Amino acid sequence: EAQVTQNPRYLITVTGKKLTVTCSQNMNHEYMSWYRQDPGLGLRQIYYSMNVEVTDKGDVPEGYKVSRKEKRNFPLILESPSPNQTSLYFCASRENSGGATDTQYFGPGTRLTVL
Amino acid sequence: AQRVTQPEKLLSVFKGAPVELKCNYSYSGSPELFWYVQYSRQRLQLLLRHISRESIKGFTADLNKGETSFHLKKPFAQEEDSAMYYCALRLPTTSGTYKYIFGTGTRLKVLA
Repeated sequence: EAQVTQNPRYLITVTGKKLTVTCSQNMNHEYMSWYRQDPGLGLRQIYYSMNVEVTDKGDVPEGYKVSRKEKRNFPLILESPSPNQTSLYFCASRENSGGATDTQYFGPGTRLTVL
Repeated sequence: AQRVTQPEKLLSVFKGAPVELKCNYSYSGSPELFWYVQYSRQRLQLLLRHISRESIKGFTADLNKGETSFHLKKPFAQEEDSAMYYCALRLPTTSGTYKYIFGTGTRLKVLA
């Protein structure tokens, strides 16, 4: 089944403790992206990657890192999480066709709480 | 600055009534706009894209460049349309790919 998976789905942690949220897709998509969803703010793009070893900042990259060593994986790293990073995080992927018919496929979401 | 505005946080309509979810954008270039929907306990998924001029699940959306709007419409709402709807603007980047700006979302509740 074609899909985007994220792990963990739920995570409670404390301020300053490094964590990684994994994202994997099995559709051979070139483009992958991370979003955070907050009440009243909608979805905001954190980072995106157009291919292996190519990443770029979205609108809210502060406090986050990403890497793209393999096409299928795009982990989100919080080196020193803070309470303002408590949020619902979504990973997404799409073909990097650049055509107007592209579709982003979203993962199930990871609910992160930083105490 | 590029922006997508969805002025309504919540929209409640009765079953069978017409629905219009508003979306306005701010972008000086030629916009590429999408509507995404998230049903309860399901993943966010694409509903429709402006370039295709398609009707999905009875929904349509027309790009109005003069009013910088991309409102989502359905003539007769159904209970299964209850969901969170996001309008999104796709922007080209200097690196040859795209980034996305989403609106804050509108929750549609269709009442029986």
